Amino acid sequence: GENVEQHPSTLSVQEGDSAVIKCTYSDSASNYFPWYKQELGKGPQLIIDIRSNVGEKKDQRIAVTLNKTAKHFSLHITETQPEDSAVYFCAASINTGGFKTIFGAGTRLFVKA
Amino acid sequence: SAVISQKPSRDICQRGTSLTIQCQVDSQVTMMFWYRQQPGQSLTLIATANQGSEATYESGFVIDKFPISRPNLTFSTLTVSNMSPEDSSIYLCSVEATPYGYTFGSGTRLTVV
Repeated sequence: GENVEQHPSTLSVQEGDSAVIKCTYSDSASNYFPWYKQELGKGPQLIIDIRSNVGEKKDQRIAVTLNKTAKHFSLHITETQPEDSAVYFCAASINTGGFKTIFGAGTRLFVKA
Repeated sequence: SAVISQKPSRDICQRGTSLTIQCQVDSQVTMMFWYRQQPGQSLTLIATANQGSEATYESGFVIDKFPISRPNLTFSTLTVSNMSPEDSSIYLCSVEATPYGYTFGSGTRLTVV
């Protein structure tokens, strides 16, 4: 079955710097890759996603890249702000008529003011 | 996207007892999903709940331990039965978002003592 690995587990950056989180997946049939942000005491919230027919997607300070050949995808946050501090989860899905989603282990991002 | 109300937000329970978690969605949805998030870990799917049929459980999860109800298209409950300290986790319900991904409830933080 699908396996998703996420690195690093913890990331600390200075406010204004960029943060990059990387994930790899094992099942080449995966075709949908969402990223979730989980703040303390809250459920995960979808922040950006990418489908397998696209190599890059950007939404303001957040971008995601996908390399289907290497089976890895990354989240890039530019100009980080303290409110970006949270746990970020990547995930991989195979659209089989109902999404079967496997989540990465999560990255705890600290943005220091 | 849908808004999910989940309760209780947290509880401390004695071992051997049961806790029922409720999820209310503000729109009709076909499938509702229940996840477990152990401390510092990722999200693991417990089961998928369809209205009018029995829930489908993932490997490692059984109905006797985690009975689920789905009486209508906007509501579901998950019961954690005969609890032990190993059941201490965050439990999350979710629904498929439009067009892709998931919307999560805020979670129930369960501590078993």
